[in-house]
Amino acid sequence: GAVVSQHPSWVICKSGTSVKIECRSLDFQATTMFWYRQFPKQSLMLMATSNEGSKATYEQGVEKDKFLINHASLTLSTLTVTSAHPEDSSFYICSAQGQEITSGYGYTFGSGTRLTVV
Amino acid sequence: KQEVTQIPAALSVPEGENLVLNCSFTDSAIYNLQWFRQDPGKGLTSLLLIQSSQREQTSGRLNASLDKSSGRSTLYIAASQPGDSATYLCAVRLLADMRFGAGTRLTVKP
Repeated sequence: GAVVSQHPSWVICKSGTSVKIECRSLDFQATTMFWYRQFPKQSLMLMATSNEGSKATYEQGVEKDKFLINHASLTLSTLTVTSAHPEDSSFYICSAQGQEITSGYGYTFGSGTRLTVV
Repeated sequence: KQEVTQIPAALSVPEGENLVLNCSFTDSAIYNLQWFRQDPGKGLTSLLLIQSSQREQTSGRLNASLDKSSGRSTLYIAASQPGDSATYLCAVRLLADMRFGAGTRLTVKP
């Protein structure tokens, strides 16, 4: 079945530094990828939608200059948290829109990245 | 704006019980609905995907139903086991993205 690989699974960084999270679709082409954030005991919240070769669409309240999303190929999207601060500490999950033949237009999710900013 | 609500927020049952988790959504114009399981600190595992034209899907001890006109879906878990303990999320797919409920935190006690 469709598989999405997300890396790293966890990262600790110092305040003020930048962190890049990768999301790869391993066995299918994903024209659209989504980035979510989840704070403890809260549900997933959509941050942005990225389409291959075009600028990402950000949800209201999400700073596009802080959360840089690049979707340069049909199998890779990256989320860079720039100048990270402790309040950015969260669980970030990506998902990719699968093709009907593999997943019935369902979504396949990465395993998530736990970011801790100290 | 599409709102997805899950009831109850938390549920604790003894092992062996059959249980039902509820999900409601405000806009019936959905593409599909998906149920996920999330273990603490882990990513999502897709359990069942129901297309908008379908009424139910089954996988093992899990059965999910969809009533699009009333904006409701239920996840039925038969003969619950301690290993079923997790948070269960439902999500509706719209044309452009997906909206999640807040989840039901299930604890199955041995």
